Amino acid sequence: EPEVTQTPSHQVTQMGQEVILRCVPISNHLYFYWYRQILGQKVEFLVSFYNNEISEKSEIFDDQFSVERPDGSNFTLKIRSTKLEDSAMYFCASSDGGRGEAFFGQGTRLTVV
Amino acid sequence: GENVEQHPSTLSVQEGDSAVIKCTYSDSASNYFPWYKQELGKGPQLIIDIRSNVGEKKDQRIAVTLNKTAKHFSLHITETQPEDSAVYFCAAGGYEKLTFGTGTRLTIIP
Repeated sequence: EPEVTQTPSHQVTQMGQEVILRCVPISNHLYFYWYRQILGQKVEFLVSFYNNEISEKSEIFDDQFSVERPDGSNFTLKIRSTKLEDSAMYFCASSDGGRGEAFFGQGTRLTVV
Repeated sequence: GENVEQHPSTLSVQEGDSAVIKCTYSDSASNYFPWYKQELGKGPQLIIDIRSNVGEKKDQRIAVTLNKTAKHFSLHITETQPEDSAVYFCAAGGYEKLTFGTGTRLTIIP
């Protein structure tokens, strides 16, 4: 069964450093998303991406965040200067857009120290 | 924006009994309502969904109902089994964005 894959599974970074989280969405999907989940809390929407541009973003997704689809298979989330409060589980998801079903990856646990 | 409330936050049921989790949403433009199951250390797994033009959907032991007028939807799990123990999230939105509820930790007591 096709699945969304994310790397790395766990990333530890120093405050102020840049991090790039990587995702390979399901191959025939057209919509790509990043969500995050702070430990013990609900899943929060960050950004959606379609046709090589951001289609919607939340208040959380400020100028420190950016997304990119550098080639035909990868989808990345960059945080330019990490803060302690960026520590969370980051989930990538993808959807074919037609039915709306979003399938999530296993997540990257980001720890900012 | 959309706001989704979910109740209860924790639920314990005897194995074999039924479990019901309820959610309300605020944005009448939302047209897609999925339910996700999340096990410890894993990503949310889609278990069932319903669209705004349907009132009820069933898949084996799992069913979802939607009341558009009242803006609420519910997950029903019958004949619960130990492997149903997990955190369940409802969500509301569309293909561009989902807003999640706060989650329900379901524990099945053997």
